[in-house]
Amino acid sequence: AQSVSQHNHHVILSEAASLELGCNYSYGGTVNLFWYVQYPGQHLQLLLKYFSGDPLVKGIKGFEAEFIKSKFSFNLRKPSVQWSDTAEYFCAVNEPGSARQLTFGSGTQLTVLP
Amino acid sequence: EAGVAQSPRYKIIEKRQSVAFWCNPISGHATLYWYQQILGQGPKLLIQFQNNGVVDDSQLPKDRFSAERLKGVDSTLKIQPAKLEDSAVYLCASSLARTGSNNSPLHFGNGTRLTVT
Repeated sequence: AQSVSQHNHHVILSEAASLELGCNYSYGGTVNLFWYVQYPGQHLQLLLKYFSGDPLVKGIKGFEAEFIKSKFSFNLRKPSVQWSDTAEYFCAVNEPGSARQLTFGSGTQLTVLP
Repeated sequence: EAGVAQSPRYKIIEKRQSVAFWCNPISGHATLYWYQQILGQGPKLLIQFQNNGVVDDSQLPKDRFSAERLKGVDSTLKIQPAKLEDSAVYLCASSLARTGSNNSPLHFGNGTRLTVT
């Protein structure tokens, strides 16, 4: 069975600081990887996804993530965060072509101080 | 396009009572999902429908939870009777096809926050 670990439960940064949120998954086969974001009072939104190809994927709002297969990781990064990035971030994984649906991590709450 | 609609937004009930949640997916989306998100955890899939058929309900506590999507469009999720540990946000999501497809991301609704006292 797949599982996803997000080790940072709450991250607090000042504006303009660089961000890296960790995501590790456990599954031996090929995976699709996702980052979702949930802004306060809003629904979950897709931030970026990796299916295949270039392991460095770019998403909306200046976010990017790098898939490192050897480390089973898909860390989310942003070089300079803004107050508006305050949100909860979820990493998720699923198996390509399978009906099995997304397995989510427990989430990381990011608070950006103005 | 209109998003995934869910109602109610909030619900407070006593344990052993019944409750139902409603979801209307994005028009044309064949696949509909119900997720449970307990505070401090990520969403957990309860059930997945493809049109009006169940694809995966392996994590649905069938002794108390039920869901249907009779006409392949909107869906209801019911809990009867509710327990304290059912307190959570219940999220509905839809997609054009299975998540494994490159062009079928999940679109989530705002969820229903259930408090069982």
